[in-house]
Amino acid sequence: EAGVVQSPRYKIIEKKQPVAFWCNPISGHNTLYWYLQNLGQGPELLIRYENEEAVDDSQLPKDRFSAERLKGVDSTLKIQPAELGDSAVYLCASSLGGTQETQYFGPGTRLLVL
Amino acid sequence: GENVEQHPSTLSVQEGDSAVIKCTYSDSASNYFPWYKQELGKRPQLIIDIRSNVGEKKDQRIAVTLNKTAKHFSLHITETQPEDSAVYFCAASMGGGSYIPTFGRGTSLIVHP
Repeated sequence: EAGVVQSPRYKIIEKKQPVAFWCNPISGHNTLYWYLQNLGQGPELLIRYENEEAVDDSQLPKDRFSAERLKGVDSTLKIQPAELGDSAVYLCASSLGGTQETQYFGPGTRLLVL
Repeated sequence: GENVEQHPSTLSVQEGDSAVIKCTYSDSASNYFPWYKQELGKRPQLIIDIRSNVGEKKDQRIAVTLNKTAKHFSLHITETQPEDSAVYFCAASMGGGSYIPTFGRGTSLIVHP
């Protein structure tokens, strides 16, 4: 069974440019998470989806970040415009949902904003 | 919201020694506590978890203990091996349908051969 897939793995952009990250969760996993991980820190939740519904997005900076999970499967996280402080690893994770909390993480997208 | 403190930030041991990483949490409603291992440049992977109705759980060389009264839990690794070298993260959350974990800042474990 394939794990959580993310692309791209690395992205270098100039500030003020837009950027998008893509995540394909494990098949059958209803819950999808986007995390931001700064160097030397633990993952911080940006948004959580139950199927196609965003059920927790309180930590998502909505002035520049947006996310979608059309059809309740793949998800895209977008930043527009990117700022220097957005440089980090963006992790996607999925779980079956309900009482099955075990999260499976993707390899992450490492973003560098110049 | 939940706040998770993790100590130490760095832990250096000799191969074969034991390693202990400690976490405290603030929300007494938290009842699910997973531990993740993240090797350099790789994804976090769940290594063990514990629920609030259990005080201790073991899986080969890894064990986790939970003290709900004091609101702290610990990861114990015995007979450490060089391949145990990684960053370890604890997390705390309410379980079930409201699972939104709060992670600690991580502990970098270095096992010297």
